Amino acid sequence: AQSVTQLGSHVSVSEGALVLLRCNYSSSVPPYLFWYVQYPNQGLQLLLKYTSAATLVKGINGFEAEFKKSETSFHLTKPSAHMSDAAEYFCAVTGGSARQLTFGSGTQLTVLP
Amino acid sequence: DTAVSQTPKYLVTQMGNDKSIKCEQNLGHDTMYWYKQDSKKFLKIMFSYNNKELIINETVPNRFSPKSPDKAHLNLHINSLELGDSAVYFCASSKGTSNLDTQYFGPGTRLTVL
Repeated sequence: AQSVTQLGSHVSVSEGALVLLRCNYSSSVPPYLFWYVQYPNQGLQLLLKYTSAATLVKGINGFEAEFKKSETSFHLTKPSAHMSDAAEYFCAVTGGSARQLTFGSGTQLTVLP
Repeated sequence: DTAVSQTPKYLVTQMGNDKSIKCEQNLGHDTMYWYKQDSKKFLKIMFSYNNKELIINETVPNRFSPKSPDKAHLNLHINSLELGDSAVYFCASSKGTSNLDTQYFGPGTRLTVL
């Protein structure tokens, strides 16, 4: 079985500040990990994914995430927040024979002016 | 061009009614999915089809029946709607069944059961 825990259902940062969204996973097989973003009233869009190649993964819109096996983490970061980054962010895991993604409960990011 | 489209975007209906949500993808993908997002934003897989064949069927009431007339379409029919069915339903598609394949999501259908 696989699961994802996203610490902090709401995160607020000031514009220009570092964004850090936390994701910890549990998996009995080598995981593939994903970050998706959901803007208001829209579907989910892939930000980045880890597929066992480089542990530091760069995605769209300046986001990146680092896979740390020892910490079972895949935290999402962005050096400088923009107002347009305000959205819901979902971490997801899959791997092994699993065909579906298992999502975390999401983190709502608010960017303050 | 919208890659994954869903209709309707909003659906308000009474308890006990039967309703359908349609999904179409123009990406040429072989695999399609239905997800349910509840009021707490928790997203869970319901069904998946690959080339019109059901490959994922999670524990969902049998009032929910997916239908895939061709690999570009995956519709969701819901019988005898209940209050607890109120949610946002997302359709998604991917190139194949590999768990490395990126899933592309539609804009969602917000279902409200009164």
